[in-house]
Amino acid sequence: DTEVTQTPKHLVMGMTNKKSLKCEQHMGHRAMYWYKQKAKKPPELMFVYSYEKLSINESVPSRFSPECPNSSLLNLHLHALQPEDSALYLCASSATGLNEKLFFGSGTQLSVL
Amino acid sequence: KQEVTQIPAALSVPEGENLVLNCSFTDSAIYNLQWFRQDPGKGLTSLLLIQSSQREQTSGRLNASLDKSSGRSTLYIAASQPGDSATYLCAISGNTPLVFGKGTRLSVIA
Repeated sequence: DTEVTQTPKHLVMGMTNKKSLKCEQHMGHRAMYWYKQKAKKPPELMFVYSYEKLSINESVPSRFSPECPNSSLLNLHLHALQPEDSALYLCASSATGLNEKLFFGSGTQLSVL
Repeated sequence: KQEVTQIPAALSVPEGENLVLNCSFTDSAIYNLQWFRQDPGKGLTSLLLIQSSQREQTSGRLNASLDKSSGRSTLYIAASQPGDSATYLCAISGNTPLVFGKGTRLSVIA
């Protein structure tokens, strides 16, 4: 199994809602990532978890809250988002660290109204 | 700070043509370079990864080269097909997390 699975595929939420994005991989990878991608732009790194510990936070606003419950799961909790947060949110994993082949999920297309 | 540039931004070719996509980077202190493919609204698929000690990698109709000294990589696609239409991104791994270029949007016309 070489897949990274993201749910939901699409999400529409209001600015007062609380929602969560989920990411799962069963490749035994110990590094997991959240990226944000706006239309026609490259992905921007948000968070990196290494061995279930947050190792990189790229100065992301606190309305985005990551969680890594175990080595296979990565969540992104969303609260009080702004319309400009609408984007494709991508999860990725790699075997152990930053300088390895990345496997991406198909993303969650988020619209904030 | 590593900067990655991809030229051209968009490319349209007839089916069957061989083509080259270019990627340049400013800091030669890299661990590896990856080429990804992205279909509209989808995630990224890793095509090829070249370690800093390697000169090229091949997979099927794809061949990627790396010249660290000049800060350049190319992705060569042989005998292009309409199914190759996508955005191709290169990404550099170094002392900072992966840095992406803005991509080349490829259209292969049947």
